[in-house]
Amino acid sequence: GQNIDQPTEMTATEGAIVQINCTYQTSGFNGLFWYQQHAGEAPTFLSYNVLDGLEEKGRFSSFLSRSKGYSYLLLKELQMKDSASYLCAAPILTGGGNKLTFGTGTQLKVEL
Amino acid sequence: EAGVTQFPSHSVIEKGQTVTLRCDPISGHDNLYWYRRVMGKEIKFLLHFVKESKQDESGMPNNRFLAERTGGTYSTLKVQPAELEDSGVYFCASSHPAGALDTQYFGPGTRLTVL
Repeated sequence: GQNIDQPTEMTATEGAIVQINCTYQTSGFNGLFWYQQHAGEAPTFLSYNVLDGLEEKGRFSSFLSRSKGYSYLLLKELQMKDSASYLCAAPILTGGGNKLTFGTGTQLKVEL
Repeated sequence: EAGVTQFPSHSVIEKGQTVTLRCDPISGHDNLYWYRRVMGKEIKFLLHFVKESKQDESGMPNNRFLAERTGGTYSTLKVQPAELEDSGVYFCASSHPAGALDTQYFGPGTRLTVL
């Protein structure tokens, strides 16, 4: 089966750096996705990691360690608009596509 | 390019009634997925279409749920009869096959409340 764990909520200050962790246990590994979801809106794709290491995309970076079953999302120069839920998700291959197993999401609150 | 759209955005019905949710995927996306988030829980997979064919419906809760994708374009998810525990947000996602691991693009969801 699949199990994804991430903290329920975090608070950080505007301009700061925050790291959102995700640990996973999967039967077969096909990488890890991170999505951002603002309240009442669609989850939006942020990153996908399948190899160990850090992938940087502007203010957002995602890290993966397959041996430790661990990933994190790093947000730099936080802005108020970064207040959202951040979802870690592991894909399971299914007939030409993949179904995602999600964690409960980490609600990030950015304060002044 | 238009994103994934879902209709309605909200639906409030009484237990025992029928509701049909609609999803319009991004044009050209063969893969279409339905997910659901029950309050306080994580988003969970319901089923996956490739064009008009159901590839995986292992997440469908029971036979009160029926999904269709006639013609391989938009999809509908019907709940009949609705029960209280069906309340939640129903998300649709679509993707263009790119090897085995395609990036899914989500719609804003339909919030269903069963009273």
